[in-house]
This record gives sequence, structure tokens and C-alpha cells, in this order.
Amino acid sequence: EAQVTQNPRYLITVTGKKLTVTCSQNMNHEYMSWYRQDPGLGLRQIYYSMNVEVTDKGDVPEGYKVSRKEKRNFPLILESPSPNQTSLYFCASSLPGTLGNEQFFGPGTRLTVL
Amino acid sequence: AQRVTQPEKLLSVFKGAPVELKCNYSYSGSPELFWYVQYSRQRLQLLLRHISRESIKGFTADLNKGETSFHLKKPFAQEEDSAMYYCALRTSGTYKYIFGTGTRLKVLA
Repeated sequence: EAQVTQNPRYLITVTGKKLTVTCSQNMNHEYMSWYRQDPGLGLRQIYYSMNVEVTDKGDVPEGYKVSRKEKRNFPLILESPSPNQTSLYFCASSLPGTLGNEQFFGPGTRLTVL
Repeated sequence: AQRVTQPEKLLSVFKGAPVELKCNYSYSGSPELFWYVQYSRQRLQLLLRHISRESIKGFTADLNKGETSFHLKKPFAQEEDSAMYYCALRTSGTYKYIFGTGTRLKVLA
């Protein structure tokens, strides 16, 4: 089944403890992206990647890192999480190309930083 | 600054009534606009995109560059349309996306 998977789905951690949220897609998509969803703020893009080894900042990159060593994987790294990073995180992927490519979203990862 | 505005957090309509979810954008370039929908306990998914000019599940949206709007419309709401709707803009030449804050649509029986 073509899909985007994220792990873990739920995570409770403490301030400063490094963590990684994994994202994987099996659709051979070039483009991948991370978003956070907060009440009243909608979805905000954290980072995106147009292809392997090509990443760029979205609107809210502070406190996050990403890497794209393989086409199918796009992990989100929080080196020193803080409570303001408590949020619902979504990974998405799509084909690149010209216009209007549909993004396929993962199920979300709910992160709580105490 | 690039921005997508969805002025209504919640929109309640009765079944069979027309629906219009508003979306305005601020962007100096040539925009690509989308509507994404999230039904309860389901993943966020694409509803429609302005370049396709298609109607999905009875919904349509027309890009009005003069008014910088991309409102989502449906002539007769159905209960299964109840969901969270997000308007999104993709900046031209890049793959950066700007989402609105979302509108929750409730269709009442």
C-alpha cells in the first residue's frame, strides 16, 4: 500500500533529551516535508526536501534539524527539545515537477515535551 | 509577507444548505492554491487544486487574483462534509507551502 509512515506515533519526553521522529514513504517521491500543527495556528512548515541531500527551511525551522540521505526517509531531529515544541507533527511527500502536486500525509506524531 | 487567511474557525450549516469556506492569500508572485481536508480520524488529504479546475465531492473553488481569494463552495452540504478544511498556497519556483489556520465545517442534520 502506498503510504507515508511516521514513528513513533506518540512520544512524551523531557526538556533537553534529543529525539528523532522518523518518516518514510514508499511512493518514490522526490519531495518530502515536515509540518507542525498547533491549535489556532494551523499547519506550519518546518523543513522540506526537494530530493536527496537537498533540504531547505520552512517557516518555523528553529530548534529542528533534518537530513535526507535516502529518497524514502526524512527524519526530524530535535537536538534539545523544549516545551514549546509540544505539538502534532506531520510528514508529507509528493512528486516534484511543475504545478500542483498532491502531498500525501502521514498519520501524525503527537509529541509532548515536559 | 506570504500569508493565507481563513477568517472562520468554525462554520455550521444545515444539511442541504450552500457552503462557502473563505480563503484569502497574500503573495506577490504567481500562486498555486489548494484545499486540503481532514475528516475525523483520517489523514489530511488533498481535496482540490486551482490548476485542475475540477469538482471533487461537489466542491469547487475559483482563484480570483483580483480579490486574492480561493473560496471553497458547495451548493448543497451533506453531513459527511463535516471536517477540518485547510487552504494552502505553494510559492512559485519553490516547494514551500503556507497553510491557513483551518476552518471546521459542521453540517447539521
